[in-house]
Amino acid sequence: GENVEQHPSTLSVQEGDSAVIKCTYSDSASNYFPWYKQELGKRPQLIIDIRSNVGEKKDQRIAVTLNKTAKHFSLHITETQPEDSAVYFCAASMNNFNKFYFGSGTKLNVKP
Amino acid sequence: NAGVTQTPKFQVLKTGQSMTLQCAQDMNHEYMSWYRQDPGMGLRLIHYSVGAGITDQGEVPNGYNVSRSTTEDFPLRLLSAAPSQTSVYFCASSKIGTGLFNQPQHFGDGTRLSIL
Repeated sequence: GENVEQHPSTLSVQEGDSAVIKCTYSDSASNYFPWYKQELGKRPQLIIDIRSNVGEKKDQRIAVTLNKTAKHFSLHITETQPEDSAVYFCAASMNNFNKFYFGSGTKLNVKP
Repeated sequence: NAGVTQTPKFQVLKTGQSMTLQCAQDMNHEYMSWYRQDPGMGLRLIHYSVGAGITDQGEVPNGYNVSRSTTEDFPLRLLSAAPSQTSVYFCASSKIGTGLFNQPQHFGDGTRLSIL
């Protein structure tokens, strides 16, 4: 099955700096890559996603890039704010009954 | 729409007890799934379903049963609870992917389960 690795496990940045979280996947058939944000004690919530037919997608301060050749994708958060502090999960899936494989998560701490 | 609703929110069990975690969605989603979340291990798929009457195993199915009699409901049963099943359980749903790509999953608030 698919294997998704996520790095780093923890990331601490100063408010206003950028944060980058990276994920790699093993199965070249994976073609849909969502990112979720989970605040303490809350449900994971989708923040951005990318499909394999595009290389980059942006939504305000958040962007995701995809390199299909290298089988990795990254989440970029610019101008970080304290409310960005949370655990972020990447996931990969292929068109096979919507099975998703998640990374182990990155705890982002934005210091004011 | 309420989205994905999970009950109970918290539960404490003794080893060997059985219980059912409830999950319901009102978005007419075909796909429903159960995950467990343990520290440092992300979300691991337990069981999933692509429609009423159809279920299949995920990565960590042992000790759990599921059934899907309606589109809306997807209960998860612990047959004989063990301390290793202490975890946070999330139910998620989505539309079945059309064409080449899947659809994003929507999660419930989770059930925090402790087994003594």
